[in-house]
Amino acid sequence: SQLAEENPWALSVHEGESVTVNCSYKTSITALQWYRQKSGEGPAQLILIRSNEREKRNGRLRATLDTSSQSSSLSITATRCEDTAVYFCATGANTGKLTFGHGTILRVHP
Amino acid sequence: EAAVTQSPRNKVAVTGGKVTLSCNQTNNHNNMYWYRQDTGHGLRLIHYSYGAGSTEKGDIPDGYKASRPSQENFSLILELATPSQTSVYFCASGDVTGGPSSYEQYFGPGTRLTVL
Repeated sequence: SQLAEENPWALSVHEGESVTVNCSYKTSITALQWYRQKSGEGPAQLILIRSNEREKRNGRLRATLDTSSQSSSLSITATRCEDTAVYFCATGANTGKLTFGHGTILRVHP
Repeated sequence: EAAVTQSPRNKVAVTGGKVTLSCNQTNNHNNMYWYRQDTGHGLRLIHYSYGAGSTEKGDIPDGYKASRPSQENFSLILELATPSQTSVYFCASGDVTGGPSSYEQYFGPGTRLTVL
């Protein structure tokens, strides 16, 4: 079974709207990362949130972490067409190994 | 100047043939990783390495070997390719020596492999 899982599987919004992707994980973590993968590219990190942090922001992105419920969320405000991508959460240990979820497909329409 | 490059970008192989996928990084990271990505499965770790000469099994190593001859280069080898190994393969580099804040992995652009 997946150690990290995003939901929903897919989202469709119009430009300017806000959107939230959720992540649940099953292991004790020191940090959780959010990655974005655009079509034809490798994933790229958006935000890393450490286990002692509850919220982290990066421009239009906001990540939250609740270690008691083992969940995280990534919110994007004022979405743009270029935000269309697959969004992954990833958990890892100090060995450097990351476990990725299956991803949430986000489509932003003009 | 991409920091993680992969070659080839596309490959068609025949069943039973040998396939070598190459990865080069200029990040000077100790760790390197090979993942495969299939629809519905996300990214799954095949092999990884902590440095030159080191290879470790990931979550799905069967049918794959890895080689890390130098800090910069990490190869994935399919000795006897099968159609089930048709996938997109990603290489990544990273370094955990700085603690959790350094856990980011940097990915290459991927190699699309088709085994007929």
